[in-house]
Amino acid sequence: EAGVTQSPTHLIKTRGQQVTLRCSPISGHTSVYWYQQALGLGLQFLLWYDEGEERNRGNFPPRFSGRQFPNYSSELNVNALELEDSALYLCASSPGTVLSYNEQFFGPGTRLTVL
Amino acid sequence: QQPVQSPQAVILREGEDAVINCSSSKALYSVHWYRQKHGEAPVFLMILLKGGEQKGHDKISASFNEKKQQSSLYLTASQLSYSGTYFCGTAPSGGSYIPTFGRGTSLIVHP
Repeated sequence: EAGVTQSPTHLIKTRGQQVTLRCSPISGHTSVYWYQQALGLGLQFLLWYDEGEERNRGNFPPRFSGRQFPNYSSELNVNALELEDSALYLCASSPGTVLSYNEQFFGPGTRLTVL
Repeated sequence: QQPVQSPQAVILREGEDAVINCSSSKALYSVHWYRQKHGEAPVFLMILLKGGEQKGHDKISASFNEKKQQSSLYLTASQLSYSGTYFCGTAPSGGSYIPTFGRGTSLIVHP
């Protein structure tokens, strides 16, 4: 069974640019979660999508947005990039909507560097 | 609000035991534990849903004290493969059930 996949693996952008990250969940999983992992800060929750709708978002500015497609894959968009957006962006999926009952399966992440 | 993990780092020799603690300022519904090896994605270890529940597999177990809003991860007779960063995620009662993760505890096991 294929795991969660993310693309691209690495990205280098400059301040002010926009970026789109992609995630494909495990087959059969309907929920997709996005996390930001900056150095020393742990996993910061960004967004949760389920059945094509945004279910919850973390404490991040509106320039972080995303969507989920009918095939449950997801995109994370970050506009007006700032230096502090440099981080590893992790996508995770789970088989159900009640997160507390389900483990999350993480993808390998996209490393974003903003210069 | 981010749970607090302690200690920040642990260095062990193979065969030694370790305890990693996770504390929250909010009443908790569940606690999630993950391990992340360097350069890899976090991997699920266990979820604890009830106060006082202890779970485990192999020589890694965890407890959840609902009253104290704390969880502890126990690594017994550590192996080299246990090295990595351990994250606890806490989901508050009455909330969205999205776990908020701590900053992690780095565990290094030496031969």
